[in-house]
Amino acid sequence: LAKTTQPISMDSYEGQEVNITCSHNNIATNDYITWYQQFPSQGPRFIIQGYKTKVTNEVASLFIPADRKSSTLSLPRVSLSDTAVYYCCSLNDYKLSFGAGTTVTVRA
Amino acid sequence: DTAVSQTPKYLVTQMGNDKSIKCEQNLGHDTMYWYKQDSKKFLKIMFSYNNKELIINETVPNRFSPKSPDKAHLNLHINSLELGDSAVYFCASSQPMTTEAFFGQGTRLTVV
Repeated sequence: LAKTTQPISMDSYEGQEVNITCSHNNIATNDYITWYQQFPSQGPRFIIQGYKTKVTNEVASLFIPADRKSSTLSLPRVSLSDTAVYYCCSLNDYKLSFGAGTTVTVRA
Repeated sequence: DTAVSQTPKYLVTQMGNDKSIKCEQNLGHDTMYWYKQDSKKFLKIMFSYNNKELIINETVPNRFSPKSPDKAHLNLHINSLELGDSAVYFCASSQPMTTEAFFGQGTRLTVV
């Protein structure tokens, strides 16, 4: 199962784009990469998933290069309400494993 | 309508006691999980069940015993509680082998 590494924290300002990169050097062929968001006192919430290349939804974009050893979550034009912990996760069969999380703080 | 609900939300108890946390999901999912989140926000999977059967047990002490009476419920019973068991416990559910899991609000367990 892929071990993921991501920055502990990132600061940003309203309206900026935030990019969080996660390393997963030993990702297995059948592992999917997914990202979750967690606000204080709440459970994690699914944001986006991908296997390879680029995926975009109404919340974020996910870039996974061809070698799949890393992935980048891109949050466009963040607002104060995007302040949260963002987790890079991998799924192998029935095991959804979470990384250590990146605390993103958005300032006015 | 809460998709994944856990009770209680807060639980304060003394060392050595036995306690249970209940979890119910109304999403029709076959797979359910228990996670433990410590004070440093690490989320560690404890158990994974699929269709009421235990699939994953991540070397959790046998003081922790999950029980799934049906696909919509996965309860967690903890015997002989220890100080190190203090954490937030999350229940989640998903379709089998999919990345989109739905989490409950968590149960903050404090052992004193």
